[in-house]
Amino acid sequence: GQQVMQIPQYQHVQEGEDFTTYCNSSTTLSNIQWYKQRPGGHPVFLIQLVKSGEVKKQKRLTFQFGEAKKNSSLHITATQTTDVGTYFCAGRGFYGQNFVFGPGTRLSVLP
Amino acid sequence: EAQVTQNPRYLITVTGKKLTVTCSQNMNHEYMSWYRQDPGLGLRQIYYSMNVEVTDKGDVPEGYKVSRKEKRNFPLILESPSPNQTSLYFCASSRRDSSYEQYFGPGTRLTVT
Repeated sequence: GQQVMQIPQYQHVQEGEDFTTYCNSSTTLSNIQWYKQRPGGHPVFLIQLVKSGEVKKQKRLTFQFGEAKKNSSLHITATQTTDVGTYFCAGRGFYGQNFVFGPGTRLSVLP
Repeated sequence: EAQVTQNPRYLITVTGKKLTVTCSQNMNHEYMSWYRQDPGLGLRQIYYSMNVEVTDKGDVPEGYKVSRKEKRNFPLILESPSPNQTSLYFCASSRRDSSYEQYFGPGTRLTVT
């Protein structure tokens, strides 16, 4: 079945440094979503990417969908303490109705 | 306020004692889903429902049951809980259109001893 991996598993950065997490699927995806989960909280939707090579920005966050639609990345510029949390990607195949989540990347930001 | 609610938020039970975790959404969403979250494994889908009376297995359905008799409710049933079902459970809902943006409930932390 479809598998979604993410690297790194953990990332510790100093406030102001950049951060990137990578998501890789074993199969070609129809679309991919990114979620953020604060410590003790629930996942919150950030964005969805649909088109091959798509790039979307939300303030300091940049999301990319690979040309082959099998990988994606989330880049945060100049991290802040409010960026702390676990970032999940979730991919949906062409023939399924459900999303498969990656294991997440936990980001710690040191002030 | 648009939201997904779950009850209870915390539950400690014993092996074999049937339990139900309720989930309700007030956004008129067609799609609802249950996930379990375990350290290092992310969110794994248990069951999902495309609409009333339409349910299907996710990736880890063993030991769980669901029903969708009303659009707003999607309870998760553990007929005979076992310790390996100790986990954090999330219910989620979304519209059934191209976005499928999922709204998650606050989570239910279940411990089975």
